[in-house]
Amino acid sequence: AQTVTQSQPEMSVQEAETVTLSCTYDTSESDYYLFWYKQPPSRQMILVIRQEAYKQQNATENRFSVNFQKAAKSFSLKISDSQLGDAAMYFCAYRSERLGRDDKIIFGKGTRLHILP
Amino acid sequence: GAVVSQHPSWVICKSGTSVKIECRSLDFQATTMFWYRQFPKQSLMLMATSNEGSKATYEQGVEKDKFLINHASLTLSTLTVTSAHPEDSSFYICSASGGDTEAFFGQGTRLTVV
Repeated sequence: AQTVTQSQPEMSVQEAETVTLSCTYDTSESDYYLFWYKQPPSRQMILVIRQEAYKQQNATENRFSVNFQKAAKSFSLKISDSQLGDAAMYFCAYRSERLGRDDKIIFGKGTRLHILP
Repeated sequence: GAVVSQHPSWVICKSGTSVKIECRSLDFQATTMFWYRQFPKQSLMLMATSNEGSKATYEQGVEKDKFLINHASLTLSTLTVTSAHPEDSSFYICSASGGDTEAFFGQGTRLTVV
């Protein structure tokens, strides 16, 4: 079974600084998707960034980028120029490429990010 | 991204009654819908996966007779908490997938059983 591990329950970063959230996962599959979701106080789940395992190039979305190390099964999120609105719970997630009943998303336990003004 | 609407946003019910939560995909056909439960300051725990027109697949430890899931159409899935008790109080979130890589989440429902 696949697992997702986030070892940092909480992190803090000064506004405008850069922070990296860690995530490791375990799977025997070769094709899958990895995600970072943001859950602000409203509790609405927001997709931050997505990475396809077959792509070697790290995904980037504006101030958000990932460091995807497939062999090490590591998928960290870097937030540059942190803003107060980035304060939220961040979840790393895994999804099998296989469609159907196996395509459920598996979440890590989350990292609560605090932005210090 | 696609829109998933979950209703109601919050509900308070008396112990012993049943509560129905709806999850609708507004602009795409959701072949698969997922129901999650989230306790305070914890991650999302998958309760069940439902595919349109077939019975839901429940995760281990989830009582299927208590949490009834219906996915009768490609745009609507419902979760009914039957004979609710205070320990069922939680935040419930649905997500819907049209078969591509991404699943879209509803706003969630805060259930309080008194």
